[in-house]
Amino acid sequence: SQQGEEDPQALSIQEGENATMNCSYKTSINNLQWYRQNSGRGLVHLILIRSNEREKHSGRLRVTLDTSKKSSSLLITASRAADTASYFCATESAGNMLTFGGGTRLMVKP
Amino acid sequence: EAEVAQSPRYKITEKSQAVAFWCDPISGHATLYWYRQILGQGPELLVQFQDESVVDDSQLPKDRFSAERLKGVDSTLKIQPAELGDSAMYLCASSLGAHIETQYFGPGTRLLVL
Repeated sequence: SQQGEEDPQALSIQEGENATMNCSYKTSINNLQWYRQNSGRGLVHLILIRSNEREKHSGRLRVTLDTSKKSSSLLITASRAADTASYFCATESAGNMLTFGGGTRLMVKP
Repeated sequence: EAEVAQSPRYKITEKSQAVAFWCDPISGHATLYWYRQILGQGPELLVQFQDESVVDDSQLPKDRFSAERLKGVDSTLKIQPAELGDSAMYLCASSLGAHIETQYFGPGTRLLVL
């Protein structure tokens, strides 16, 4: 079963715009991670935020975590055509087992 | 940069046949994971190994699926017999240890069961 739910399921924007994806989950977590997947490929780890952190940055990525609302958001600033991919949130509760959401499919049009 | 290797990349088989997928994790990674990803969905964990031992296989359909990691290095996932509903991407991932959070994924094996 999938704990996380991403919103929106699909997002289409123009190059240069910001993209925001949201993730909600159901149970308490140790950390939340975001992964990226290009079509037909494996997943690539983007960023990890721990349950005691509220915000984290990595390059053009900004992740927030609100444990009281059991939600997280991923912001990609100044998007590029190469950012076109599916983005998944994954929660880790115990034993380093990740539970993935259904993903947001992002298309960045040049 | 070290990568997780998987083979084959694509597999087409008929239902009731046996299929096997192979994964070679990043050298030194003690923890290995097999995930199944149905088209349009996120990956779901099938089995997790710590060295050669199974840590969790609660989501593995054990009547038809089996996984092994005999020497604690590479791993094989087998399906016998394959069913139409097994069509999916099978992803292997590895991490340094059970408490090292970042998982590194291989390119996956796309299975089509006809």
